[in-house]
Amino acid sequence: DQQVKQNSPSLSVQEGRISILNCDYTNSMFDYFLWYKKYPAEGPTFLISISSIKDKNEDGRFTVFLNKSAKHLSLHIVPSQPGDSAVYFCAASAVGGGADGLTFGKGTHLIIQP
Amino acid sequence: DAEITQSPRHKITETGRQVTLACHQTWNHNNMFWYRQDLGHGLRLIHYSYGVQDTNKGEVSDGYSVSRSNTEDLPLTLESAASSQTSVYFCASSESAISEQYFGPGTRLTVT
Repeated sequence: DQQVKQNSPSLSVQEGRISILNCDYTNSMFDYFLWYKKYPAEGPTFLISISSIKDKNEDGRFTVFLNKSAKHLSLHIVPSQPGDSAVYFCAASAVGGGADGLTFGKGTHLIIQP
Repeated sequence: DAEITQSPRHKITETGRQVTLACHQTWNHNNMFWYRQDLGHGLRLIHYSYGVQDTNKGEVSDGYSVSRSNTEDLPLTLESAASSQTSVYFCASSESAISEQYFGPGTRLTVT
C-alpha cells in the first residue's frame, strides 16, 4: 500500500520551460513534505520542503505547492536547466507521530532537453 | 565541513554471509536512518535511531539489524545475506525527527 505516489516515472521538458512534478499521498497524518533530487551514483539531496500549515513555499527557481484537501503536492521548476536532469523524490512525514523516518515515492526521472 | 560517509561504496558477498555496512556522520545529529533503494520501489526505510542506544524498525527491517553506541555511527548488519538484499543502501541523518535528512553517497551491495 503506497502512501506516497509519484505516478509519472519520467518527464521530458525543454530547457527554459517549466517543469511540474506531481505527488499524491494517502495518509492524512502526513503534515510535512519534502522534495529530494538524486543524480546517478550519489545520495539524494534535499531540495525544498513545505509544512501543512502552508500552501506554497518558494526557493529561487523551485516552488512547492500543497493542496491538502486533494492530498496533492507539486514541484515547479522555472526555468528548467540542463543540470535539473535527475530523479526527483517526493517524501512525507508525520509530526509528533513518532516520525518513522520519511516515506518516499518511487521517483520521477526529469529529463531536460536542449 | 560536516558530512556523512558510507563504507564500503561497493560490496559483493555470498549468500549466508554476515555483512556490515558502515555509516559515519560528523553533523552531530541525533537521528540516523538506513534506507534501501530498489528499482520500482523508491527508498524504503530499514531501521532508524533517535539517539545513542535507541533503535527502531522501519518498513523493511527483516534480516537487518543496527546498533547505536555513539552519536556518529549507525552500522547496518545483514545477519545472513540473501539475494533479495541486493540493493543500494543509503544512510541519512537529521537534526530533528521531521527535518530534512542529509544522505550519504550510498553502498551498492550485491549478494551472489
